[in-house]
Amino acid sequence: EPEVTQTPSHQVTQMGQEVILRCVPISNHLYFYWYRQILGQKVEFLVSFYNNEISEKSEIFDDQFSVERPDGSNFTLKIRSTKLEDSAMYFCASRRTSTDTQYFGPGTRLTVL
Amino acid sequence: KQEVTQIPAALSVPEGENLVLNCSFTDSAIYNLQWFRQDPGKGLTSLLLIQSSQREQTSGRLNASLDKSSGRSTLYIAASQPGDSATYLCAVADGATNKLIFGTGTLLAVQP
Repeated sequence: EPEVTQTPSHQVTQMGQEVILRCVPISNHLYFYWYRQILGQKVEFLVSFYNNEISEKSEIFDDQFSVERPDGSNFTLKIRSTKLEDSAMYFCASRRTSTDTQYFGPGTRLTVL
Repeated sequence: KQEVTQIPAALSVPEGENLVLNCSFTDSAIYNLQWFRQDPGKGLTSLLLIQSSQREQTSGRLNASLDKSSGRSTLYIAASQPGDSATYLCAVADGATNKLIFGTGTLLAVQP
């Protein structure tokens, strides 16, 4: 069964460094999302992406964040200058149509020291 | 602004019992609602999707209902098993891009 994959599973970085989190959505899906979950808190929406552009972003998704679909398979989230409060589990999700089930990847645990 | 609440926050039941998890949302203008399961430190596994025009969905021992007008959904788990122990999350599809708005979850423990 097709699934969303994410790499790395765990990333440790120093405050101020740039990180890129990678996702491979399910191949025939058209809508892509990033969410994050700070330890012990709700899963929060960051950004949605469709037709090679951002379609919606949350207040969390400020200028230090960016997303890209550099080729036909990868979907990346870049954090330009990490802060301690960026430490969280980051989930990528995709769906085939606008009202279909969203399928989530296993997540990348980001730890900022 | 859409808000999603789940009650109870935690639940412990003996194996074999039937149980109900509750989810409520403040804005009834949703496209659909999904129930997920999350094991500790792991990703989100989709259990059921209910479109806004539907009243319920079933998958095996799971049954989810949706009452959009009252802003409520329930997840019914029949004949619970220790393997059902996990956090159950409810999420509504909201806004221009059907992003998911999540509740805080119900932590379920099924005792053998």
